[in-house]
Amino acid sequence: GQQLNQSPQSMFIQEGEDVSMNCTSSSIFNTWLWYKQEPGEGPVLLIALYKAGELTSNGRLTAQFGITRKDSFLNISASIPSDVGIYFCAGQLTGATNKLIFGTGTLLAVQP
Amino acid sequence: KAGVTQTPRYLIKTRGQQVTLSCSPISGHRSVSWYQQTPGQGLQFLFEYFSETQRNKGNFPGRFSGRQFSNSRSEMNVSTLELGDSALYLCASSLRQGSGLEQYFGPGTRLTVT
Repeated sequence: GQQLNQSPQSMFIQEGEDVSMNCTSSSIFNTWLWYKQEPGEGPVLLIALYKAGELTSNGRLTAQFGITRKDSFLNISASIPSDVGIYFCAGQLTGATNKLIFGTGTLLAVQP
Repeated sequence: KAGVTQTPRYLIKTRGQQVTLSCSPISGHRSVSWYQQTPGQGLQFLFEYFSETQRNKGNFPGRFSGRQFSNSRSEMNVSTLELGDSALYLCASSLRQGSGLEQYFGPGTRLTVT
């Protein structure tokens, strides 16, 4: 199946550290979304990006839509234990479709 | 406002059986998309419904089908189950169809095929 390249695959950090992860694609996307998924639950929307170059924050989270429209990054500042989970990027192509193409996920573990 | 709900949350079936999963979107949302999540393939798009019509379809065999009702609730059916169909099935709702819209996911239905 089609997936976006997301890195790193996993991160094991200390509480208080900053985190950065990114997604790249060979396709141009109209929208980038970042989700967090916890065990046994569905992905929860964190940030939505709609324009190339857009930089959006949600609390300690900041995400940017790359100017080439082929990449996006997510930063988490001052991580806390409840940040633990799998983070997914998702890209949406142009047109009359809600179809999302997901990244491979970044597993984040935060040690208190 | 209630979120996306999916029933059942867990299901165990045997090979060859068929299964129907249900999804109720956020009130006012008219678009429902279905995804399959497995450790090996990640999250893969199954299909998308809007106004009771399938608008887009992923690369899954015809054993996977769905429908949407007039109240926007959607069901997904898998016939002749195979072991490889074991997965978390997620639905996501959106206000309407079209790129550039936020999608909200339900908790998923964990299907195990034995």
